Amino acid sequence: GESVGLHLPTLSVQEGDNSIINCAYSNSASDYFIWYKQESGKGPQFIIDIRSNMDKRQGQRVTVLLNKTVKHLSLQIAATQPGDSAVYFCAEIPNQAGTALIFGKGTTLSVSS
Amino acid sequence: NAGVMQNPRHLVRRRGQEARLRCSPMKGHSHVYWYRQLPEEGLKFMVYLQKENIIDESGMPKERFSAEFPKEGPSILRIQQVVRGDSAAYFCASSPPWGAEEQFFGPGTRLTVL
Repeated sequence: GESVGLHLPTLSVQEGDNSIINCAYSNSASDYFIWYKQESGKGPQFIIDIRSNMDKRQGQRVTVLLNKTVKHLSLQIAATQPGDSAVYFCAEIPNQAGTALIFGKGTTLSVSS
Repeated sequence: NAGVMQNPRHLVRRRGQEARLRCSPMKGHSHVYWYRQLPEEGLKFMVYLQKENIIDESGMPKERFSAEFPKEGPSILRIQQVVRGDSAAYFCASSPPWGAEEQFFGPGTRLTVL
């Protein structure tokens, strides 16, 4: 079936390092992608999004890269902080208005100080 | 401006009982989505509702599960005759009328079936 998945279930980094979290998607018809952060016991929190007509989008300390050729999405977090420790999910919306998000399984980011 | 609210936050039921989960969307949002998250997994879509209408229930189990979003009041996800496999976190998200791209999530209800 068509789904969004993540390459690594866990990622451990030192405080101050840059983190890169990867995601592969299989639905070439998807035109909108979102990264969510989920802290323990909480709901997903929007981080950053990107449309399929873009390759890169930057936010505060975060950058999302989209490679449509290989159907790959990545989230880069600069100067990672202990507060960034959480599970990160990528999600997609197929090319259809009003439809649900399709989530990947998530990467657990652990930041040690 | 309050965010998406869900209650209860934790719900414990014995096998065979009913579970009712409530979701109040953000102010101005008329679209509600329910997702289920099993331990160590991502969220899985269950159902998408607008006021008084079920738009997409392709992710809902065929039996025991139902959802509604009445004209007045919160959206309700109802699970009848719960089984242990229903134990999970259930998240509600809401979005404004112009589409699913701006979904904001509630804190979830953690259902435990004994």
